[in-house]
Amino acid sequence: AQSVTQPDIHITVSEGASLELRCNYSYGATPYLFWYVQSPGQGLQLLLKYFSGDTLVQGIKGFEAEFKRSQSSFNLRKPSVHWSDAAEYFCAVGLHNNNDMRFGAGTRLTVKP
Amino acid sequence: DGGITQSPKYLFRKEGQNVTLSCEQNLNHDAMYWYRQDPGQGLRLIYYSQIVNDFQKGDIAEGYSVSREKKESFPLTVTSAQKNPTAFYLCASRSTGENTEAFFGQGTRLTVV
Repeated sequence: AQSVTQPDIHITVSEGASLELRCNYSYGATPYLFWYVQSPGQGLQLLLKYFSGDTLVQGIKGFEAEFKRSQSSFNLRKPSVHWSDAAEYFCAVGLHNNNDMRFGAGTRLTVKP
Repeated sequence: DGGITQSPKYLFRKEGQNVTLSCEQNLNHDAMYWYRQDPGQGLRLIYYSQIVNDFQKGDIAEGYSVSREKKESFPLTVTSAQKNPTAFYLCASRSTGENTEAFFGQGTRLTVV
């Protein structure tokens, strides 16, 4: 069965520092890949998505992610974190020609002033 | 504006009572999903539906039921058989075409006392 692993439950970075959130998936083929962000008590907002083509994808709010097939990874990055980026981040996979979508456990980001 | 509406935002019920959470979308999406979110466990799939009058169990369907009588609506009933129903519930929808992402509602926090 497909699965998504986010190894880091909680990450703290200083404002202005770079950020990388890790995501690994387990699936026999290349799935659709997504990163979502959630503020407390809210729904999820899409940051970016990968379906095919260029393995480096750009998203909203200055985020980017790189798909690495050899590592089954889809890590999220941001060069300089802002205090407003503090939130919970979820990696998700969807299967081609299938509407099942699965999410990782999430990584909570804290930003220090 | 197009989107997904979950209601109510907060819901309190006594133990042993069934309760139905509403999810309506006007995005003309075929697929709809229900997820349960608990701290540290991410989003777990309860049920999903790819088309009207059809739905599939997700990973944690026990104690829950759904219906899909209309394309726009996918209500979730939390029954008394659900042992630990207090959680944050998220509804999502997605077009069934290629290269599509899920859109989320704002969630319903259910507290059973």
